[in-house]
Amino acid sequence: DQQVKQNSPSLSVQEGRISILNCDYTNSMFDYFLWYKKYPAEGPTFLISISSIKDKNEDGRFTVFLNKSAKHLSLHIVPSQPGDSAVYFCAASAARSSARQLTFGSGTQLTVLP
Amino acid sequence: DAGVIQSPRHEVTEMGQEVTLRCKPISGHDYLFWYRQTMMRGLELLIYFNNNVPIDDSGMPEDRFSAKMPNASFSTLKIQPSEPRDSAVYFCASSFGQGAGEKLFFGSGTQLSVL
Repeated sequence: DQQVKQNSPSLSVQEGRISILNCDYTNSMFDYFLWYKKYPAEGPTFLISISSIKDKNEDGRFTVFLNKSAKHLSLHIVPSQPGDSAVYFCAASAARSSARQLTFGSGTQLTVLP
Repeated sequence: DAGVIQSPRHEVTEMGQEVTLRCKPISGHDYLFWYRQTMMRGLELLIYFNNNVPIDDSGMPEDRFSAKMPNASFSTLKIQPSEPRDSAVYFCASSFGQGAGEKLFFGSGTQLSVL
């Protein structure tokens, strides 16, 4: 049973446009959410996070939105750049879990077309 | 800082052979995690250590899998005997501090192919 779901395995966007990556979760105990980015032949790297006490967190071109009632979060990249082409993983954890047991989604391959 | 270092980068072996994957976490980090990435299941946590002690190995798929952390700077994940369904990318990650959601630092992974 996947507790964190990324239903779109791939997304293509034109350079300069907005990229929106979506993530749904089922475990209501999750209260901290992260996005990781992964380039080929590299490990995932942390991108941005959000606590459940917030509904938005922004870092430069990257903004994460959290809708707790819908158990949904999204990552917005504006403007998208070719270097953003990567696999994006959504991850979640619960405060009561014994240290950072992140549950990851299956990933979305973003391709930004020049 | 060199980051999390994993070896080998690629491993090709035959079914039934023993496979040992190695990891050196970032110095000073007190948590170490082993993840496996497959197309079907994405990134799944296999086991994690805190201060060299295994805390949760509920993600280890079978008794064929074992992990050790003899000291703060080294960990191994062993598969014996290996099977074709073990083919995946295995990531090691480390982090520091308490609290949920602390960001992890991943190594570049070991691509394992079991023929």
